[in-house]
Amino acid sequence: LAKTTQPISMDSYEGQEVNITCSHNNIATNDYITWYQQFPSQGPRFIIQGYKTKVTNEVASLFIPADRKSSTLSLPRVSLSDTAVYYCLVGDGFTGGGNKLTFGTGTQLKVEL
Amino acid sequence: SQTIHQWPATLVQPVGSPLSLECTVEGTSNPNLYWYRQAAGRGLQLLFYSVGIGQISSEVPQNLSASRPQDRQFILSSKKLLLSDSGFYLCAWTPGQRWEKLFFGSGTQLSVL
Repeated sequence: LAKTTQPISMDSYEGQEVNITCSHNNIATNDYITWYQQFPSQGPRFIIQGYKTKVTNEVASLFIPADRKSSTLSLPRVSLSDTAVYYCLVGDGFTGGGNKLTFGTGTQLKVEL
Repeated sequence: SQTIHQWPATLVQPVGSPLSLECTVEGTSNPNLYWYRQAAGRGLQLLFYSVGIGQISSEVPQNLSASRPQDRQFILSSKKLLLSDSGFYLCAWTPGQRWEKLFFGSGTQLSVL
């Protein structure tokens, strides 16, 4: 089971780029890396997923080095509404079902004016 | 399209009372199903997951149990609630063969008094 480690909290200001790094030293060959965003009293929401190198969508980019032992979620030009907890999730294998998807502690991002 | 329903949204129960939380998924078949718990100000804790009818895996020893009587129905139960069972309970699902992302329900805020 790939354990993940993230910073507990980060502070930023509106308009800045925010990079949140997640460590997953024992990631398995078949594991994907997925990031979620959670607002208070809501379920987490999918942000982005990747396996290696770089993935970009309309809200974020995900950078994964060649050894895949870490990943960085990049949020461009954050706003107040990006204040939330961000979770890095590494899959426990994905073939044949039986996936045991365990979240890390998450990073509380606080964006200020 | 697939949807996940979770109820009730909030619940206040006395210590020692039973519990039953229900989750159903529509628009898919043979999903992997999960129950998570989030204590106030804490991260997500995986409680149970299921890859099929009657197949339940427990992650954390506690006085909670889970059942999957039908393919798209997942139930979280307790015979006697403890104060420590208070928290935000989330049901989630992923496709059975290969997970791409977790889809979460809206959650149940449980307060045990």
